[in-house]
Amino acid sequence: AAGVIQSPRHLIKEKRETATLKCYPIPRHDTVYWYQQGPGQDPQFLISFYEKMQSDKGSIPDRFSAQQFSDYHSELNMSSLELGDSALYFCASSIRTGGIDEQFFGPGTRLTVL
Amino acid sequence: ILNVEQSPQSLHVQEGDSTNFTCSFPSSNFYALHWYRWETAKSPEALFVMTLNGDEKKKGRISATLNTKEGYSYLYIKGSQPEDSATYLCAFSPSNTGKLIFGQGTTLQVKP
Repeated sequence: AAGVIQSPRHLIKEKRETATLKCYPIPRHDTVYWYQQGPGQDPQFLISFYEKMQSDKGSIPDRFSAQQFSDYHSELNMSSLELGDSALYFCASSIRTGGIDEQFFGPGTRLTVL
Repeated sequence: ILNVEQSPQSLHVQEGDSTNFTCSFPSSNFYALHWYRWETAKSPEALFVMTLNGDEKKKGRISATLNTKEGYSYLYIKGSQPEDSATYLCAFSPSNTGKLIFGQGTTLQVKP
């Protein structure tokens, strides 16, 4: 079965650079979520999109922006990178059923900021 | 601030032992409780989604219970096997937007 695809899997950047992380949801899934897991921390919700519109927002820094495109893939853009942005970034997708939406997670992108 | 607490943080058991861990979450503004199994270098895998107080779910040797009034969920593994070794995450959903608030996880190591 198709799973959530994230690219790249690993990314190394310097401070103050920009990074773009991509997420390709499971086919027919209409909702995408982004989570950030810092070293030794719980995954933290950043932002979510349903049908290309932002549906909820968490602790996402102003330096980060995200969007969902017409093909439902999503991109997380990160500018002016800081050392503290080094983390594992998960994307999850779900299909809105009107009930409880089960989220399927991708393998994550590990971002290292030097 | 909505906090989800899991205990213990880590657990080492022998093959064949049964084990359980706890997830505590805010009892107010409850919408759903999710359990995930996460093996190193893999994607977190959904185990259960529970919404109703008293709910009990089972998948093979793994089962979970939910108490929304007191704000806790238990995950049980019967007859642990080495392949059960993973981190078990619980996540609380306070609304229908799908936003998940995760606990820190319980890392289980099953020794053959």
